[in-house]
Amino acid sequence: AQSVTQPDIHITVSEGASLELRCNYSYGATPYLFWYVQSPGQGLQLLLKYFSGDTLVQGIKGFEAEFKRSQSSFNLRKPSVHWSDAAEYFCAVGSTGANNLFFGTGTRLTVIP
Amino acid sequence: GAGVSQSPSNKVTEKGKDVELRCDPISGHTALYWYRQSLGQGLEFLIYFQGNSAPDKSGLPSDRFSAERTGGSVSTLTIQRTQQEDSAVYLCASTPMGQAVTGGPQYFGPGTRLTVL
Repeated sequence: AQSVTQPDIHITVSEGASLELRCNYSYGATPYLFWYVQSPGQGLQLLLKYFSGDTLVQGIKGFEAEFKRSQSSFNLRKPSVHWSDAAEYFCAVGSTGANNLFFGTGTRLTVIP
Repeated sequence: GAGVSQSPSNKVTEKGKDVELRCDPISGHTALYWYRQSLGQGLEFLIYFQGNSAPDKSGLPSDRFSAERTGGSVSTLTIQRTQQEDSAVYLCASTPMGQAVTGGPQYFGPGTRLTVL
């Protein structure tokens, strides 16, 4: 069965520090992987996606993620966090043949000055 | 339109009442999805439309939940005899074609926050 695990419920980082949010997936087929961000009261905004090819993908707002098949992971990174990055981050997996995306439970990011 | 829109943005209702939540997908998107986001939970898939038909209703939690889509555009999610456990944010998403075809990203609306008292 498909599943996505985000082991960190809440992460707090200082502004300017680096960030890594973890995502592990379980999927039988070749996965398509996504990171979404949800600011308070907002819908989900796509940060980046991986379909195939280069395993390091660049997204919006300075985010990047690396697909590691051997570890079934798709961790999100940012070299220097800004206060405006405080939000909830969701990892999701999909594929051709699946009717919907499967989401993790999210990681809430708090940024302190 | 420019993005997926949902209405109302907030809905407070009393237990036992019926509610209707509306989703207006991106123009031209043939596939539409409803998800539910409960406090502290990820997104729970409810139903998927391809055009006006719903090939996948597997996520609907009970027969109190139903949805329809007309004209290949607007969709309505109806919850009958609401219960307190129905309180959640209901999110709608759309894609140009079905997820099963492209595997691509979905575009989400801002959601409707439902509170059942």
